[in-house]
Amino acid sequence: QKEVEQNSGPLSVPEGAIASLNCTYSDRGSQSFFWYRQYSGKSPELIMFIYSNGDKEDGRFTAQLNKASQYVSLLIRDSQPSDSATYLCAVRARGAGSYQLTFGKGTKLSVIP
Amino acid sequence: NAGVTQTPKFRILKIGQSMTLQCTQDMNHNYMYWYRQDPGMGLKLIYYSVGAGITDKGEVPNGYNVSRSTTEDFPLRLELAAPSQTSVYFCASSSTDEVGDTQYFGPGTRLTVL
Repeated sequence: QKEVEQNSGPLSVPEGAIASLNCTYSDRGSQSFFWYRQYSGKSPELIMFIYSNGDKEDGRFTAQLNKASQYVSLLIRDSQPSDSATYLCAVRARGAGSYQLTFGKGTKLSVIP
Repeated sequence: NAGVTQTPKFRILKIGQSMTLQCTQDMNHNYMYWYRQDPGMGLKLIYYSVGAGITDKGEVPNGYNVSRSTTEDFPLRLELAAPSQTSVYFCASSSTDEVGDTQYFGPGTRLTVL
């Protein structure tokens, strides 16, 4: 059973601070890793993906991947109240069925003005 | 370009009733997916399709059926609704199975079974 674990939160950070969201996964064969943002009552929307060890930056967002530790994180710099949402980590396996994603339960982020 | 559309947005069913959740994408994507999301939980894959005429079960297929007669449409059928099927249902699509390929989600259908 492939598992993706996230701290459910809520994680509260003041406006302008760095928010750090973490995710661990059980399948060592996982190939790529996605962060989705989901506002209350809305559908998930992709923030970014990463598949190589190290950091990947996109604007205020940085994804970090450590395959040896089976750990992926998302950093949000200069957090804004509009970043308040649930962040879903999703993992994609390698090989047959590799297009299927396994999602974590999500971490709820609250940015306090 | 509408992306992924789903109908209806909301529905209340009585136990034992049947219904079809509609999903259409206009991006010419081969891969389509149905997920359900229960409160405070992540998304669970119900069924998926890798192209017209090809479907397969996901993690939680019991109580559901799908068909894929065209590239654009991927309806989800509930034959005998049960309270355990109360959930939010999301349809998604992606163009390939390449690393990093994105799944695009529809707006969701909120279903309540009483």
